[in-house]
Amino acid sequence: GDSVTQMEGPVTLSEEAFLTINCTYTATGYPSLFWYVQYPGEGLQLLLKATKADDKGSNKGFEATYRKETTSFHLEKGSVQVSDSAVYFCALFTGTASKLTFGTGTRLQVTL
Amino acid sequence: SQTIHQWPATLVQPVGSPLSLECTVEGTSNPNLYWYRQAAGRGLQLLFYSVGIGQISSEVPQNLSASRPQDRQFILSSKKLLLSDSGFYLCAWSVGIPGGYTFGSGTRLTVV
Repeated sequence: GDSVTQMEGPVTLSEEAFLTINCTYTATGYPSLFWYVQYPGEGLQLLLKATKADDKGSNKGFEATYRKETTSFHLEKGSVQVSDSAVYFCALFTGTASKLTFGTGTRLQVTL
Repeated sequence: SQTIHQWPATLVQPVGSPLSLECTVEGTSNPNLYWYRQAAGRGLQLLFYSVGIGQISSEVPQNLSASRPQDRQFILSSKKLLLSDSGFYLCAWSVGIPGGYTFGSGTRLTVV
C-alpha cells in the first residue's frame, strides 16, 4: 500500500540555518505530493504541493521538488526563522485511494 | 469564504463515558470529509472519511464511529471511551484540489 517515510526528529537549528527535511514515498500509480505544517496547538495547514514529476512546490520560502526517480519530496528552506518552529508532515494523494497518506511528522525547533 | 468549525477544543472524559465531536463546514457543498487522530508522539491516522450524506468509510476497526447526517456536518462518536482513545482529533474537508485538505483546529481529548 501507499506509505510515506520522513526523517526522525526533532530537528534543532539556529536561526538563519539551512533546513532539509527528508521525505520518501511508496505508491501505486502517480501520486500528488504535499507538505503540511502544524503550529503548536493548531490543526494542519497546507504548505506546498507538487502534482507531477519534476514539479517544484514553493511557499513562504520553503521548497520541495517531486523526484520520481528517487521517490522523494524533500523540504528545504535557505534561512529558517524562530517562527518556523512547528511539526512538518509529508503526504501523498492518489486518485485510486482518494485520501491523503501522511508521514509521521518531523518536529522543527529553531532557536535564536 | 470557506471555513471549517470543530468543537470542543478540549475535552476530558472518564473511561466508559460516551463521546460526540462535531465538525461543520461552511461556504462549500458536497465536500469530502475526514476524521484523523494524532496520538502523542505519533503521526496522523485516518479514522473515517465520507464522500456524501450517510456514506461513511472506516479505515481502522476501533471503538469509534462516524456519521454524516447533513451535507456539511460530520460527527465522531463513541459509546464507551477507552484510555487509548486519548489524542488530538482533526476534521478535514476536501473539494477541488485532490489532496488539498483544509483542517479544523482540532479537539484534544483526554480520557481519564
